[in-house]
Amino acid sequence: GESVGLHLPTLSVQEGDNSIINCAYSNSASDYFIWYKQESGKGPQFIIDIRSNMDKRQGQRVTVLLNKTVKHLSLQIAATQPGDSAVYFCAETFRDNYGQNFVFGPGTRLSVLP
Amino acid sequence: SAVISQKPSRDICQRGTSLTIQCQVDSQVTMMFWYRQQPGQSLTLIATANQGSEATYESGFVIDKFPISRPNLTFSTLTVSNMSPEDSSIYLCSVEDPQLAGLNTGELFFGEGSRLTVL
Repeated sequence: GESVGLHLPTLSVQEGDNSIINCAYSNSASDYFIWYKQESGKGPQFIIDIRSNMDKRQGQRVTVLLNKTVKHLSLQIAATQPGDSAVYFCAETFRDNYGQNFVFGPGTRLSVLP
Repeated sequence: SAVISQKPSRDICQRGTSLTIQCQVDSQVTMMFWYRQQPGQSLTLIATANQGSEATYESGFVIDKFPISRPNLTFSTLTVSNMSPEDSSIYLCSVEDPQLAGLNTGELFFGEGSRLTVL
């Protein structure tokens, strides 16, 4: 189930089940979105991205869905494995006169149960 | 892609001291970004460092507290000055995809982070 921890929301899933991590973004001008995975003691690593002219993109075991109407992004992980345990961040990006801006979501901790 | 090395990876510091974090990139990049990640929280941009000019700081961050150097296109440093326990965080160096940076359409690559604990 999903619960709110001290800081990070936590999603606990059984190994082998599918995981869905959600993210709400704020800027309707954002045109590029990225999901990052951050394992303990490491920096964030790119998982998958999607541009605003798409509503779905698939990678290996991961799918990102974009709903611009409600400014919502989701990451689906198929057949979740213990190695998927990490904190997942969404990032929205938009451009202004100064260049590309990245805004990170609050993060969700995914815990995979054996 | 870009490979980013940060030093130190972690340190324990005394209140009132300063620490400089180094970031080395394996490609030449125009902009380098410094982020702070407080315990259990998301990433907050501190400043953007361009080679040959002063860094641009985000709201809530000032040069006196977080001086930044950017002597060339592959290296930057962030100093956390006059540290207090509230500065205990992970500090992350980041760059855009060197091949896409000019197009402003690429992802960010991150270093492994420098975890500072201030006593």
